Amino acid sequence: DAMVIQNPRYQVTQFGKPVTLSCSQTLNHNVMYWYQQKSSQAPKLLFHYYDKDFNNEADTPDNFQSRRPNTSFCFLDIRSPGLGDAAMYLCATSRQVGRGNEQFFGPGTRLTVL
Amino acid sequence: GQQLNQSPQSMFIQEGEDVSMNCTSSSIFNTWLWYKQDPGEGPVLLIALYKAGELTSNGRLTAQFGITRKDSFLNISASIPSDVGIYFCAGQGGSEKLVFGKGTKLTVNP
Repeated sequence: DAMVIQNPRYQVTQFGKPVTLSCSQTLNHNVMYWYQQKSSQAPKLLFHYYDKDFNNEADTPDNFQSRRPNTSFCFLDIRSPGLGDAAMYLCATSRQVGRGNEQFFGPGTRLTVL
Repeated sequence: GQQLNQSPQSMFIQEGEDVSMNCTSSSIFNTWLWYKQDPGEGPVLLIALYKAGELTSNGRLTAQFGITRKDSFLNISASIPSDVGIYFCAGQGGSEKLVFGKGTKLTVNP
């Protein structure tokens, strides 16, 4: 089945220690998104790639970076995690942008910062 | 910026009851999406709506795109325990970004 895969499902890191979360997709979608979701809140968009074009949200901290080496993979790098960065990180994809292009989410990676 | 008001915030119902939740906005959207999120998992797309007035069903779920394009509702009929979770509405306007409601937490008592 075509799907969005996130690894690992659970990640523990230490305060200030860089961490990378990964996402892969077998849907061959052009757009990949990274969201941060804190407890009892809606997902918050951090950035997205439309093919190789990177689109950062204005309020995304510089501490968060992303890489998309090819169509299938996208990475979220947190350079110096703080306690406030503990959250669920969701990857999503869509075929194109705009109307009629639903976003499909992966299962998420739960990040704990000690 | 665009905002969605989703209500109710939480619901506690008995198995077999019908459920209704809705989202409203002061802005017009071109697409309405309804997602369900189980604890520790990512949101799963339930229903997508593209036209004002559109009524779409997916099993026991029915959703409608409001005529004004500023609202949508989701109904669940004959609820079962596995319906438990958080339901999010999401609207999409002229860009690729989704605007999410704050979610409706559904609890179903057997």
